[in-house]
Amino acid sequence: ELKVEQNPLFLSMQEGKNYTIYCNYSTTSDRLYWYRQDPGKSLESLFVLLSNGAVKQEGRLMASLDTKARLSTLHITAAVHDLSATYFCAVDPRRGGSQGNLIFGKGTKLSVKP
Amino acid sequence: NAGVTQTPKFRVLKTGQSMTLLCAQDMNHEYMYWYRQDPGMGLRLIHYSVGEGTTAKGEVPDGYNVSRLKKQNFLLGLESAAPSQTSVYFCASSQTGLLNIQYFGAGTRLSVL
Repeated sequence: ELKVEQNPLFLSMQEGKNYTIYCNYSTTSDRLYWYRQDPGKSLESLFVLLSNGAVKQEGRLMASLDTKARLSTLHITAAVHDLSATYFCAVDPRRGGSQGNLIFGKGTKLSVKP
Repeated sequence: NAGVTQTPKFRVLKTGQSMTLLCAQDMNHEYMYWYRQDPGMGLRLIHYSVGEGTTAKGEVPDGYNVSRLKKQNFLLGLESAAPSQTSVYFCASSQTGLLNIQYFGAGTRLSVL
């Protein structure tokens, strides 16, 4: 059974600081996703990581994937208040052809304070 | 540019009542999903569909039924609601292919008293 663990689950940061959210998963997978959820809102796709060593960047967020270690990281650079949200990683448990039934981590609630 | 639309947005039920949640997508996606989100639990897959007329169980299917009679619609039914089904329900859809990114609706907040 695939398990996905995120840490930390809660993160309070000061503006301007850097930090990393970790996502570990228990079995091999071809695809890893990062989503953002604002309070009371839906989920928005941030990144899709498909291969070992993949790195994607968008603004102050950078995601990477190490399939050998079964680890993905979401790095936040010089945090700003607008990044306050809950961040989820999700893993596709099927190799090759996917039916997309993702397994989600519990989420990391990020709060960026001035 | 609707994307994924869920109705209703809010609902309060009494224990034992039934209801149907509707999900509609206008992106011609093959795959559709129903999740529930509970505090501290992330999202858990209830049922999913890989095409019109097909459905499959996810991680937490008990107490729910689904139907996909039309490609654009995916219905989630609760036959006899229980307080344990109080949750926020999200529908998502995705297209076949390498990326298979799921696009989510705005959610339905359901309370069962």
